[in-house]
Amino acid sequence: DADVTQTPRNRITKTGKRIMLECSQTKGHDRMYWYRQDPGLGLRLIYYSFDVKDINKGEISDGYSVSRQAQAKFSLSLESAIPNQTALYFCATSDSRQGASHEQFFGPGTRLTVL
Amino acid sequence: AQSVTQPDIHITVSEGASLELRCNYSYGATPYLFWYVQSPGQGLQLLLKYFSGDTLVQGIKGFEAEFKRSQSSFNLRKPSVHWSDAAEYFCAVGSNAGNMLTFGGGTRLMVKP
Repeated sequence: DADVTQTPRNRITKTGKRIMLECSQTKGHDRMYWYRQDPGLGLRLIYYSFDVKDINKGEISDGYSVSRQAQAKFSLSLESAIPNQTALYFCATSDSRQGASHEQFFGPGTRLTVL
Repeated sequence: AQSVTQPDIHITVSEGASLELRCNYSYGATPYLFWYVQSPGQGLQLLLKYFSGDTLVQGIKGFEAEFKRSQSSFNLRKPSVHWSDAAEYFCAVGSNAGNMLTFGGGTRLMVKP
């Protein structure tokens, strides 16, 4: 079944460590997104990519970087993790082709804890 | 800039009772509106969406929502809640044909037996 997968699902790390969260999709969608979820704040957009060569900052990109290695893969990196980056991270995809549904499809999330 | 407000952080209803979750949005043009549900430990699943046309939209799991332009609202309703509906619900408004979403803070629904 076409899907959005995220690895790892859970990660505990220490302040100052570099962390990479990975996202893969088999939906054939061109657009991919990274969000973080914090209680009471909903989901906030970190970065998004409309194509392999396209990377854009979202609402809260400071402290994060991304790489779109292929149409199906979109990685999020924390170069030097800090405790306030403790959150639930979601990857999402959407299809921009004419006639597509425009909805975003979400992965299961990665729970990151920075000590 | 677009924004979404979900005024109720927590709601508790009895099983079998009706449900209405509120959503108010701010957006300069005709909005693309979405409701997503997040069950514990799960990702987000789309319940329903509004792009244009009939202002009452039907979704999965017996949910519906009504777009009211004059009130800038897109409230989610269900006539009879089931225990399995306990989850967190997010309203979102989209620009760029729905590809850029802004989420509300979420409403956590608890269902009493």
